[in-house]
Amino acid sequence: GGIITQTPKFLIGQEGQKLTLKCQQNFNHDTMYWYRQDSGKGLRLIYYSITENDLQKGDLSEGYDASREKKSSFSLTVTSAQKNEMAVFLCASSVGKNEQYFGPGTRLTVL
Amino acid sequence: GEKVEQHESTLSVREGDSAVINCTYTDTASSYFPWYKQEAGKSLHFVIDIRSNVDRKQSQRLIVLLDKKAKRFSLHITATQPEDSAIYFCAVNTGNYKYVFGAGTRLKVIA
Repeated sequence: GGIITQTPKFLIGQEGQKLTLKCQQNFNHDTMYWYRQDSGKGLRLIYYSITENDLQKGDLSEGYDASREKKSSFSLTVTSAQKNEMAVFLCASSVGKNEQYFGPGTRLTVL
Repeated sequence: GEKVEQHESTLSVREGDSAVINCTYTDTASSYFPWYKQEAGKSLHFVIDIRSNVDRKQSQRLIVLLDKKAKRFSLHITATQPEDSAIYFCAVNTGNYKYVFGAGTRLKVIA
């Protein structure tokens, strides 16, 4: 079995701040994803990476940057945090177009 | 782009009864339809999926039906148990690596 870890678990930022979220997986999966989950809503895809050195925009990429540093890690940067923003950011990985394995999430609050 | 509608936002069933959650999608090219479960305070985990080359799949108490003509798929949970209480998300993959998720159905199994 494997595991996905996300750091930090809770992130509190100030308006306009640049914030970075990190994700690590030891499944040896090629494909990794970043999603945003707002309360009462489904997941929205921010960025994904099919293989190491690949980066693809999802439907919600504006305001975010991503980086696939190596096969096991995928980072997400909020380029300028929005006041009163509250959401959970979920990282996932998969073998190709198959079931995704999700991390525990990073809960973001912007003051 | 693809749109996914998850028809039931909440669903209550008595323990032992069946629960049915329905999703519809818009893109006829969609080919992979996974379902995920999110228990209170936890992240998502995969429960069952179906691909477009079949119209029915069963895994223990879970059955997924796919109607490609109607662009509809459904999750049937038979003989429900209290531990089935959770939020269930349908998702659609259109053939690339992007997924669109439904808004989620909160299932409550009443003892």
